[in-house]
Formats: sequence, C-alpha cells, structure tokens
Amino acid sequence: AQSVSQHNHHVILSEAASLELGCNYSYGGTVNLFWYVQYPGQHLQLLLKYFSGDPLVKGIKGFEAEFIKSKFSFNLRKPSVQWSDTAEYFCAVKSRGSGTYKYIFGTGTRLKVLA
Amino acid sequence: ETGVTQSPTHLIKTRGQQVTLRCSSQSGHNTVSWYQQALGQGPQFIFQYYREEENGRGNFPPRFSGLQFPNYSSELNVNALELDDSALYLCASSLEASNTDTQYFGPGTRLTVL
Repeated sequence: AQSVSQHNHHVILSEAASLELGCNYSYGGTVNLFWYVQYPGQHLQLLLKYFSGDPLVKGIKGFEAEFIKSKFSFNLRKPSVQWSDTAEYFCAVKSRGSGTYKYIFGTGTRLKVLA
Repeated sequence: ETGVTQSPTHLIKTRGQQVTLRCSSQSGHNTVSWYQQALGQGPQFIFQYYREEENGRGNFPPRFSGLQFPNYSSELNVNALELDDSALYLCASSLEASNTDTQYFGPGTRLTVL
C-alpha cells in the first residue's frame, strides 16, 4: 500500500537554527511531491512542489526540498528558521493509476521555533 | 479572486444520521478534492471530482459520496454516521485535474458525531 512517513512528529528549534524535516514515501510509479504548511489558525497552504526536472526545489519563505528518487525521500530544509515558521508541516504524494489520481499525506510535523 | 469556501463551519450530528457538507471552489477551478483530517493526523484523501465526474477515490466506504455541480461547487455526503467520522473535512480545488495542478485548501468543516 502507498504511504508517506514523516519521521519527526514534534520539533523544537531556536531562531536561526537550521531545519530539516524528513519525508519518505512508498510507491513504485511516478509521483508528484508536495510540502504543505498550516500556520496556527490558518488553513493548509502550499510551500513547494516537485513534478519533474531539477530535484532541488525552492518554495516560499526560504524553504527548499530535495527529491532523492533512490531513497524515496523528499526532505524539507531551511537554513535559518524564524519564530514565524512555527506551524505544522505536511508532506504529500500525488500518484496516478488507471487514469485517476490519489493523494496521500503524512501525519505531519509540528514545528515550534523559540524566539 | 475568491478562495475556497466551505459550509458549515461546525456541525454536530448523532450516530446513524446523514450529513451534507458544501464547498465552493476557487474561481476558475474545475477540480475539487475532499479530505478527512482526524485529530493529530494528516488529511486523508476521500475522492476527487473533475468536471462533475469522480476522478479518483481513497479508501473510504460507499457511504461517503459526492457531487460536483456545473458551476464546479461540490458536496460531500456521509450516510449512517459513525463516531469515527468525527473530524475536520477539507475541500481543495485546483485549476485542472492533471499531474501538475496545485490544490488550494478551504478552512474546513468540523464535524462532531455524538
């Protein structure tokens, strides 16, 4: 069965620390990969996405993610976090089979950045 | 540009009842997806509608059904409610059902089943 694993459920960092959130998926076919963020009191919004081409993708607010096909991974990174990055982060995979689409989300990582 | 809207915001039902949730897609979007997000979990894909036809489905029983209307708004219907159906139900719309489309999420409807 297809699945998405996010290794860290809760992460606490101080401002200016570097961030890396892990995401692994299990699916043998072609996938599109996403990171979504949910800030407190707001709804889910797209941080970045990978469809094809350069495996290093850049998103909003200084975030980037690297697709490593051999490891089935799509880890999210940011060199220096800010207090405003406190949020919940979800990795998601979109797959296509028999002409239809399916989306699978990870369970999320809650990030708290201490000022 | 109007974003994705959902109604109602909150809803309380009892076990065995039926519920209908509504979603208005973002202007110009013809594809709508529905998700169930239980507390502490990530969104789980229920199904997707593209131009009024179901275009994909997750692992949900048939008592979860949907509709998409000519104006691309959508409904999620759940029959024979169970306690485990208590969750936040999210709607997301996208410009086109393709590999490269991006989903825009609404604020969700919080359903409580007693």
